[in-house]
Parts: sequence; C-alpha cells; structure tokens
Amino acid sequence: EPEVTQTPSHQVTQMGQEVILRCVPISNHLYFYWYRQILGQKVEFLVSFYNNEISEKSEIFDDQFSVERPDGSNFTLKIRSTKLEDSAMYFCASSERDLRGANVLTFGAGSRLTVL
Amino acid sequence: GQQVMQIPQYQHVQEGEDFTTYCNSSTTLSNIQWYKQRPGGHPVFLIQLVKSGEVKKQKRLTFQFGEAKKNSSLHITATQTTDVGTYFCAVTGGGADGLTFGKGTHLIIQP
Repeated sequence: EPEVTQTPSHQVTQMGQEVILRCVPISNHLYFYWYRQILGQKVEFLVSFYNNEISEKSEIFDDQFSVERPDGSNFTLKIRSTKLEDSAMYFCASSERDLRGANVLTFGAGSRLTVL
Repeated sequence: GQQVMQIPQYQHVQEGEDFTTYCNSSTTLSNIQWYKQRPGGHPVFLIQLVKSGEVKKQKRLTFQFGEAKKNSSLHITATQTTDVGTYFCAVTGGGADGLTFGKGTHLIIQP
C-alpha cells in the first residue's frame, strides 16, 4: 500500500537553530499538509499546499515556518529559528483531492522534533 | 475554522466491555472523518460519514452521523487489547483546508 515517508524520524536541535523536516507524499496525490502534535495533545493543522503554493495556513504557521516542494517528490517544512515550544511530533499528510471532495488524508509516521 | 468537541477525554474499560466516543459541533458539518492513533503511532483513517443519519459498520466498530449532521459517534463492541489508542474525529472547512481534529478520546483497556 502506498505510504507517506518522513525523515528524519527524530531530530534534536538547539534553540535558535534551523531545522528542515522532509516528506515524500504518495506519488499521485496533489494536496499536501503539515500537522503537529505536542505530546499527549491533539493533532493541529499547520499548512496545506497545492499547485506549488500554500492554500491555507493556521495561526501556528507564523513567519518562522515555511514549506517548499523543491522537486517532484519532496515536500519540506522549515523552521527558521526553533523555540522550545516547537518541540512536537510533526506529521506530513497527503490526499488525492481537496477535502471538499470528501477525500481522506494519509499520514506519514512523523518526525519528532526536540528543541533543547 | 470549524470546531468539534469530543468526549470523553479518557475512557478506561475492561477488555470485553463496550466503548463509545462522541463528537459534537455547533454548526452543521458537510462530513466527518474518524481516525485512530495507536500509542507512538500516526493517525490512520477509519471512516468518513457524509449523509444525515448515516450508520456504517466495520466489524466491531459502528459509526453514526446525526440527523442534523452536528454530531457523530464511534462505538466499539467487546473491546480487545488491539483497540487501545486515541480515537479522533475530524472535520474539514472545505477546499484545501486542513482537517480540524477533535481532542481525541484515549481508550485504555484493562485485561
């Protein structure tokens, strides 16, 4: 079964450092998403991406965050200057159609970010 | 974006007992999805409900969408240890908007 792959599985970084989390969505999917989950809490939407641009972003997705699709397969999330509160599990997800079309998300296994 | 309230936050059951989690919205929903997240895992899609009053079954799992499309429930009959995890409902604002997840119900099963 096709899957969304994420790297790294775990990243430890110092506060103020930049991190890049990588995702390879399912190949025929067109919509890409980043979510985060602070330990034990709910899954929070960060950003959606379609046709090489951001479609929607949440209040969490401030100027410290950016996304990019540098080539035909990768989808990246960059955090410019990490803060302690950025420590969380970051999930990438993709879908075939937009959610108005009642489609579903396939999530990757996640990248755990620990900011010290 | 749309908000959903999910209760209970935690549910302890004995293995073999039933389990139900509820999701409520103050506004009419176009559809609702349910996901399961095993401990240490990622959300995995279970089901999507679209029609008013819809009921869907997956083995021991029964999903319902209210007549007014403002609430939904997930019921598990005769829980097993493999059912352990967090069950989330999720709704969409439409278009390319991301899903908004409920806070989830953590199901803990005592053997």
